[in-house]
Amino acid sequence: NAGVTQTPKFQVLKTGQSMTLQCAQDMNHEYMSWYRQDPGMGLRLIHYSVGAGITDQGEVPNGYNVSRSTTEDFPLRLLSAAPSQTSVYFCASSEIRGTGNTIYFGEGSWLTVV
Amino acid sequence: AQKITQTQPGMFVQEKEAVTLDCTYDTSDQSYGLFWYKQPSSGEMIFLIYQGSYDEQNATEGRYSLNFQKARKSANLVISASQLGDSAMYFCAMREGDKLIFGTGTRLQVFP
Repeated sequence: NAGVTQTPKFQVLKTGQSMTLQCAQDMNHEYMSWYRQDPGMGLRLIHYSVGAGITDQGEVPNGYNVSRSTTEDFPLRLLSAAPSQTSVYFCASSEIRGTGNTIYFGEGSWLTVV
Repeated sequence: AQKITQTQPGMFVQEKEAVTLDCTYDTSDQSYGLFWYKQPSSGEMIFLIYQGSYDEQNATEGRYSLNFQKARKSANLVISASQLGDSAMYFCAMREGDKLIFGTGTRLQVFP
């Protein structure tokens, strides 16, 4: 049981480039989400999904797109990277929408935009 | 307005002593959940403890307990018998509907 898998772990991008952070879970969780973590800011919610075909915005959605075509996968796309998107990104999933008391996190993806 | 407030940017505690990390929250929902996570220097997020808004008893998990005071909207984490390995960032979080919202964290340092 792999849990939540994020790739890549480290990435350097040039301003204006696009990329996709991959997130996959093998626990058949309905709920998946993406966070970014900046120094002194804690984790901030970017986008989340409560099931295949359903996504919604979090606190800081600008500059990011998501889709949820399958239960297992929830990729995060940066269409035109900016230095302000330099951050650590975490994907998370949980079993029960809104009531689950166990949320599993991936190991994080360190992204630098130069 | 801040949904989750952690007012202690850093805390020090001596090994074997107990320490309380503060967390207050703001919500108008009746049903919500409160979480504490530990983030060591390696970066992973480690789940510690959960308290549901309807749970009458304070949650406990080994050396961790959550001091839940609903009327005051506080959910403080108590770590008993601190160990050197407890040195890390600690985040309080609240599940409100479909969103999980984090505080800014408290850095705990345990010294011998």
